[in-house]
Amino acid sequence: AQSVAQPEDQVNVAEGNPLTVKCTYSVSGNPYLFWYVQYPNRGLQFLLKYITGDNLVKGSYGFEAEFNKSQTSFHLKKPSALVSDSALYFCAVREGDQAGTALIFGKGTTLSVSS
Amino acid sequence: NAGVMQNPRHLVRRRGQEARLRCSPMKGHSHVYWYRQLPEEGLKFMVYLQKENIIDESGMPKERFSAEFPKEGPSILRIQQVVRGDSAAYFCASSPQGAGNTEAFFGQGTRLTVV
Repeated sequence: AQSVAQPEDQVNVAEGNPLTVKCTYSVSGNPYLFWYVQYPNRGLQFLLKYITGDNLVKGSYGFEAEFNKSQTSFHLKKPSALVSDSALYFCAVREGDQAGTALIFGKGTTLSVSS
Repeated sequence: NAGVMQNPRHLVRRRGQEARLRCSPMKGHSHVYWYRQLPEEGLKFMVYLQKENIIDESGMPKERFSAEFPKEGPSILRIQQVVRGDSAAYFCASSPQGAGNTEAFFGQGTRLTVV
């Protein structure tokens, strides 16, 4: 069965500093990996995805993520954090080789960026 | 192109009543997913449907919960005889196909409160 772990409930960074939100996954086949962001009382917004190819994926709002197959990780990064990046971030995985599978989400990591 | 539409946004039910949550997927999307979000628990997969078919209901509670996605009309998540523990935010997502590299698009959610 596929699963996702986000080991940190909360990440605190100062504005202008780089940020990393961690994600590790477990699938039996090839993974399709996604990051979403949720602002208070809103639905989830898609940020970026890894399907195949370059291990460094660039997405919305200056975010990027690095796929590391040997470490089964897909950490979200941004070189310079903004206060407006403060939100709840979810990593998700789908087993790419299987038809009819749903996205499975981690528990989420709250990012807090201080000014 | 309207996004995923969920209604109502807020729903209050007394214990023992029925709750019906509706989800209209994005135009052209034939796959719908329902998730439940509880504080401290993240986003839990409930059920994955195509038109007139349940593909994966492994996350659905065995009793009182059901879902459908008819040929015409929205997808419905039905909770019978609600209890306080059903209070949560319920999110619907849709995608144009079920497998592969497509991300799912989320609605704003329905916040169910059982009193």
